[in-house]
Amino acid sequence: DGGITQSPKYLFRKEGQNVTLSCEQNLNHDAMYWYRQDPGQGLRLIYYSQIVNDFQKGDIAEGYSVSREKKESFPLTVTSAQKNPTAFYLCASSIGTPPGELFFGEGSRLTVL
Amino acid sequence: AQSVTQPDIHITVSEGASLELRCNYSYGATPYLFWYVQSPGQGLQLLLKYFSGDTLVQGIKGFEAEFKRSQSSFNLRKPSVHWSDAAEYFCAVGARSSNTGKLIFGQGTTLQVKP
Repeated sequence: DGGITQSPKYLFRKEGQNVTLSCEQNLNHDAMYWYRQDPGQGLRLIYYSQIVNDFQKGDIAEGYSVSREKKESFPLTVTSAQKNPTAFYLCASSIGTPPGELFFGEGSRLTVL
Repeated sequence: AQSVTQPDIHITVSEGASLELRCNYSYGATPYLFWYVQSPGQGLQLLLKYFSGDTLVQGIKGFEAEFKRSQSSFNLRKPSVHWSDAAEYFCAVGARSSNTGKLIFGQGTTLQVKP
């Protein structure tokens, strides 16, 4: 079955450590996105990529980094510069433009201890 | 700038009762409109979408939504709620002129269903 796989589902990190969240899709979608979800704030866009080897900052990119070396993969690194990293992170993909349906992974919950 | 407002943070309805979740958007032209549902600890699933044409759109699980241009609204409705509908619901908009495919999401409405 086609879909988006995020790992790990739960992750604990000490302050000052970088952590990388994995996102893989087999939908052959060009565009991929990372959203952060906090209670009462909906989903906020961190980074997005429309094509391999290219990505753009979203609304809350500070303290995060991404790469897009393969069409199927869009990993997100939460760096130690992110002041409040504890959150639920959602990866999504779509065909790209025009804006269409986003297909979401199951999410990764990061807790900083 | 685009924005999406879901005025109701939390709604409680009795099983079998009707449901309406509100969504208002701010955008210079008619955007693409979406409703998603999220169960606790899970990703989001598309319920329905509006691109053009008939302003009343049908979705999965018995949901429907009506686009009202004059009110900048895209409210979600269901005639009879089931206990399994308890979840968080998100309205989202995408710009027709966008070359990025990005969606802007509302803050979400949590639906609780009483037996």
